[in-house]
Amino acid sequence: DAGITQSPRHKVTETGTPVTLRCHQTENHRYMYWYRQDPGHGLRLIHYSYGVKDTDKGEVSDGYSVSRSKTEDFLLTLESATSSQTSVYFCAISDGLAGEGTETQYFGPGTRLLVL
Amino acid sequence: AQKVTQAQTEISVVEKEDVTLDCVYETRDTTYYLFWYKQPPSGELVFLIRRNSFDEQNEISGRYSWNFQKSTSSFNFTITASQVVDSAVYFCALSEERYNFNKFYFGSGTKLNVKP
Repeated sequence: DAGITQSPRHKVTETGTPVTLRCHQTENHRYMYWYRQDPGHGLRLIHYSYGVKDTDKGEVSDGYSVSRSKTEDFLLTLESATSSQTSVYFCAISDGLAGEGTETQYFGPGTRLLVL
Repeated sequence: AQKVTQAQTEISVVEKEDVTLDCVYETRDTTYYLFWYKQPPSGELVFLIRRNSFDEQNEISGRYSWNFQKSTSSFNFTITASQVVDSAVYFCALSEERYNFNKFYFGSGTKLNVKP
């Protein structure tokens, strides 16, 4: 199993408060991703990183920011949480663009976030 | 239009029955990758298989088998002699290479209920 941890695993917060979720990997993989999973929508990409300090937006990035100051950590921040951001958040990692399975994404255990 | 379609929202079978989960994808790329992931009730996402677009050979792994047909843009997953432990949501995914990452498109998932 890929070494990916997420913290916290569960969080309840109030509307308007900032929230930071952490993804930590021990695989030294270059690429890291944040997804959210909601009923009826499957998995949707929020942001991704293709290296230290290199990040870009996914399809549902509004209201989220990310940072990657070192290879092993990828932080997702909700600047001012809203109820629509209640979801399960998954971090994923992959080692390369293509070939030999390096593009395969491996997922962390997920973080359940409830915004009241 | 959906890039990955899993038309079966939910399937219920009795243990020991065979079951096939359908996946239809859409892409204009000549090089792409297809995946299946399993999400058991515990919530984690488990990688099952990866196929590249140049390898149409079917694959068998124990009770699991995958049928990849480019002519019909399908990548179906069959579980033979299903067991209760197979109960999960199964996601099919398509990966296309972009300039700085591999973009994944996930289907909405098929929930498989295996009853004893």
